[in-house]
Amino acid sequence: SQQGEEDPQALSIQEGENATMNCSYKTSINNLQWYRQNSGRGLVHLILIRSNEREKHSGRLRVTLDTSKKSSSLLITASRAADTASYFCATDSMEYGNKLVFGAGTILRVKS
Amino acid sequence: NAGVTQTPKFQVLKTGQSMTLQCAQDMNHNSMYWYRQDPGMGLRLIYYSASEGTTDKGEVPNGYNVSRLNKREFSLRLESAAPSQTSVYFCASSAYGTRNTEAFFGQGTRLTVV
Repeated sequence: SQQGEEDPQALSIQEGENATMNCSYKTSINNLQWYRQNSGRGLVHLILIRSNEREKHSGRLRVTLDTSKKSSSLLITASRAADTASYFCATDSMEYGNKLVFGAGTILRVKS
Repeated sequence: NAGVTQTPKFQVLKTGQSMTLQCAQDMNHNSMYWYRQDPGMGLRLIYYSASEGTTDKGEVPNGYNVSRLNKREFSLRLESAAPSQTSVYFCASSAYGTRNTEAFFGQGTRLTVV
């Protein structure tokens, strides 16, 4: 059973455009994390947002969290071809034993 | 800065064969994890070790065993490989659980069982 589900499954945009990916989850959480995976590589941590936080920024990344709707979004501004990757949200919650549970991911393609 | 190192990177097994996937981290992390990644399903937790000397089952533990050899090393063993275990396996570590700490991932082991 998937705790987190990303939307859309795939996204294709032009370089310079913004990319928005959404994540919905089912239970109350301690934190939500976003990871990036380049093709054939391991996952790299991007941002962690705690349950009592609503927004967080890191460079061109902006993450929001709405615990009332059990959802989060990842915004990448001014996208670059190098942003082409899969993006995953992962939740940490007591209901899942305080272990990271990943969604199926969003495949982002940035065309130059 | 090696981070999390997995070996081997690729492996082909015949049905019924056994093998051990090795993982080591050099960040002095307490917690370590094994995930498998299948197309369209994200990552699913197989086993994890909250700290040295402890291991617990994750979402998909059947057909696997683990050993937390010491603080650095966490191995995953397939006793009798099955085609359903064809997947990409990732080892990860974190300082102390995942409560407000990030996980660091290895580069993965691509396993094919024929």
